[in-house]
Amino acid sequence: GNSVTQMEGPVTLSEEAFLTINCTYTATGYPSLFWYVQYPGEGLQLLLKATKADDKGSNKGFEATYRKETTSFHLEKGSVQVSDSAVYFCALNTNAGKSTFGDGTTLTVKP
Amino acid sequence: DTEVTQTPKHLVMGMTNKKSLKCEQHMGHRAMYWYKQKAKKPPELMFVYSYEKLSINESVPSRFSPECPNSSLLNLHLHALQPEDSALYLCASSLVETSLTDTQYFGPGTRLTVL
Repeated sequence: GNSVTQMEGPVTLSEEAFLTINCTYTATGYPSLFWYVQYPGEGLQLLLKATKADDKGSNKGFEATYRKETTSFHLEKGSVQVSDSAVYFCALNTNAGKSTFGDGTTLTVKP
Repeated sequence: DTEVTQTPKHLVMGMTNKKSLKCEQHMGHRAMYWYKQKAKKPPELMFVYSYEKLSINESVPSRFSPECPNSSLLNLHLHALQPEDSALYLCASSLVETSLTDTQYFGPGTRLTVL
């Protein structure tokens, strides 16, 4: 079956630090890959996505590259802000009508 | 408009109550989803509606009853819930169910507490 493994949290960084949250996946075929962000007390919001190998998704300073050879989709940001504190979920879609989510990584950014 | 709305935002109910959660989207999406999310966990899929017909039921107990009255609305009827059903209930929609590349748009959720 499909699965997504995310780096365990929580992750605590100082403002302006570099962020990496690792995500690897197992899937049959060629899935699409997503990063969602969930701020406290809210639903999930799409942060970025990539639909084929070597695609790079980017949004709000966050980036992730779909690496088929390493089955990875690591999330990066060069300089985090306090407002980036949230839970980040890596997910994949196949064409079977379901998304598979990772367990989530909690990021706390301190001023 | 890329918004999915959910009401109520918070709900407290007893184990003998009957209540409903509502979800609405006006993006022309034909797939709608209910998820249950416990604290510090990923969302768990409960139901999928595709073109207003129930497509996926992830073996959810019958005390949860979904309904899709039209292409914009999705309800979740609750009856005789248990305290362990307390969670954040998320609604989502996407253009179609089986698209590989579609984004799911999530609502803000209903925080349900069962006493």
